[in-house]
Amino acid sequence: DTGVSQDPRHKITKRGQNVTFRCDPISEHNRLYWYRQTLGQGPEFLTYFQNEAQLEKSRLLSDRFSAERPKGSFSTLEIQRTEQGDSAMYLCASSLSGVGANVLTFGAGSRLTVL
Amino acid sequence: GENVEQHPSTLSVQEGDSAVIKCTYSDSASNYFPWYKQELGKGPQLIIDIRSNVGEKKDQRIAVTLNKTAKHFSLHITETQPEDSAVYFCAASRENTGGFKTIFGAGTRLFVKA
Repeated sequence: DTGVSQDPRHKITKRGQNVTFRCDPISEHNRLYWYRQTLGQGPEFLTYFQNEAQLEKSRLLSDRFSAERPKGSFSTLEIQRTEQGDSAMYLCASSLSGVGANVLTFGAGSRLTVL
Repeated sequence: GENVEQHPSTLSVQEGDSAVIKCTYSDSASNYFPWYKQELGKGPQLIIDIRSNVGEKKDQRIAVTLNKTAKHFSLHITETQPEDSAVYFCAASRENTGGFKTIFGAGTRLFVKA
């Protein structure tokens, strides 16, 4: 297993366009998290899945954001009608459940630039 | 809401010196405190963690201390090396609706001068 994979690594888009990011977690991890990181800040929690169920969403996740994990494996994060304020690094992390559940393994992130 | 404050935001040390980064948290129910290192172009990587039933933990040149009463925890790096240069994040988490919501500090950029 090569760890948590994210794609694409970089995305430049124009304001108003839709973008989608994909995350492939570590295969035996049933928990998957999305975080957003802006320059000079720590990661901010967006949403969390256990298997295919989305169990928690942050208030940061506006109606333009949607996340899915259809078969409990990979996840997608879609941003509709992008705004310049959406420019950030979108980080995916995964973890086990039970013992070690709060030990997060992060991917390298998908950097979004909205022009 | 819950928050984690981290100081300093930037730290510059000479190679071989020690570096100390301090954090405070607001959620008294937090029971797990990880530290992550983030290098340029990479995601955060866990370097050490401590749970609330322990006051101190050490792993080679890295140590963490936790004061639950004061809601403080710290990272200590001894004998710093240039490859320690990175951004370090502290975090706090607790069981929440069946999962763990981890709250991160704003980060400390550590420069180790050779």
